[in-house]
Amino acid sequence: AQKVTQAQTEISVVEKEDVTLDCVYETRDTTYYLFWYKQPPSGELVFLIRRNSFDEQNEISGRYSWNFQKSTSSFNFTITASQVVDSAVYFCALRQDSSASKIIFGSGTRLSIRP
Amino acid sequence: AAGVIQSPRHLIKEKRETATLKCYPIPRHDTVYWYQQGPGQDPQFLISFYEKMQSDKGSIPDRFSAQQFSDYHSELNMSSLELGDSALYFCASSLEQGVGETQYFGPGTRLLVL
Repeated sequence: AQKVTQAQTEISVVEKEDVTLDCVYETRDTTYYLFWYKQPPSGELVFLIRRNSFDEQNEISGRYSWNFQKSTSSFNFTITASQVVDSAVYFCALRQDSSASKIIFGSGTRLSIRP
Repeated sequence: AAGVIQSPRHLIKEKRETATLKCYPIPRHDTVYWYQQGPGQDPQFLISFYEKMQSDKGSIPDRFSAQQFSDYHSELNMSSLELGDSALYFCASSLEQGVGETQYFGPGTRLLVL
């Protein structure tokens, strides 16, 4: 079975706080890719990052960082010094070798950054 | 950089009408995917095409059909529209259909069925 779980439905923090969005996935495939997408209020889906199952290196891009741990099947996303523009719904997603076409999305975490 | 283009951006239809959504992938991308996102839901995969052939099928109703043309653009045809078809429809494209290829999403077409 393949599944992506984002247990945090909504998070609200004050600007400049750090915030971590959790993502736990399930797959039987050994080859798979994990993604994070951002969906701002305007509705488009913006690609943030892709990580393959053989690369457990953490990644940092500006204020964004991602922690991939195969041992716990987690791919968490941290925003440092959050800003109001970070307010959006964030989706964690899985694409696995056995069903290469489709992306399986988590239910999303709505992040609100208060000024 | 060029992105995925979808048209129209907004569409209002009556029940039982038909609708056609268009998608123009990023240049050189040969794979197109369609997703449906209901209100407050995550996107659900509908169908995909690689090199103008259907490559995978998800939870697409029989009332819907799609195709990819020689210039790689794709159209999603929806007939006998129902209230429940109201959703945001995304098209995504990638360079090849391999599992490692990132799908880049268009801005979506917001369909409202009255």
